[in-house]
Amino acid sequence: EAQVTQNPRYLITVTGKKLTVTCSQNMNHEYMSWYRQDPGLGLRQIYYSMNVEVTDKGDVPEGYKVSRKEKRNFPLILESPSPNQTSLYFCASSLFQEKGQFFGPGTRLTVL
Amino acid sequence: AQSVTQLGSHVSVSEGALVLLRCNYSSSVPPYLFWYVQYPNQGLQLLLKYTSAATLVKGINGFEAEFKKSETSFHLTKPSAHMSDAAEYFCAVSDGNFNKFYFGSGTKLNVKP
Repeated sequence: EAQVTQNPRYLITVTGKKLTVTCSQNMNHEYMSWYRQDPGLGLRQIYYSMNVEVTDKGDVPEGYKVSRKEKRNFPLILESPSPNQTSLYFCASSLFQEKGQFFGPGTRLTVL
Repeated sequence: AQSVTQLGSHVSVSEGALVLLRCNYSSSVPPYLFWYVQYPNQGLQLLLKYTSAATLVKGINGFEAEFKKSETSFHLTKPSAHMSDAAEYFCAVSDGNFNKFYFGSGTKLNVKP
């Protein structure tokens, strides 16, 4: 089954404790992206990747890092999480971006 | 940068009534526009897209949208609402390179029996 998977789905952590949210797709897509969803703000793009080792900033990259060492994986790293990073995070991928993106199920992160 | 405005954070219709969800965009280049639907506790699912072909775009589940350049709009419609259409809907615009995507704040559709 074609899908984008994210782990963990739910995470509660404390300020400053480094964490990684994994994202994996099984569709051989070159493009992958991370978004955060906050009430009343819709989705905002954090980082995207055009291919292996090619990443770039979206609209809200501060406080986040990404890496793309393999085509299927695109982890999101929060080196020192803060409460303002409490949000619902989505990973997405696409073969041809103009055809739309496949979204993962989301990761709900709470930073205390 | 592009931007998207969705008028109405909540829209309520009766089952069988017309659904109209509004989306206006700002773009300095020809836009590429998308509508996504999000059901509770799920990720987003593509409903339809406009990429400079026909201005009237048909999508899944009976939804369609019309691109109107003069009004910078891409409103989503469905002739007859079904209870299963209750969800949150997001309009999105891409830059010309399809690298960056900008989403509206979303519209929650409630369908009354």
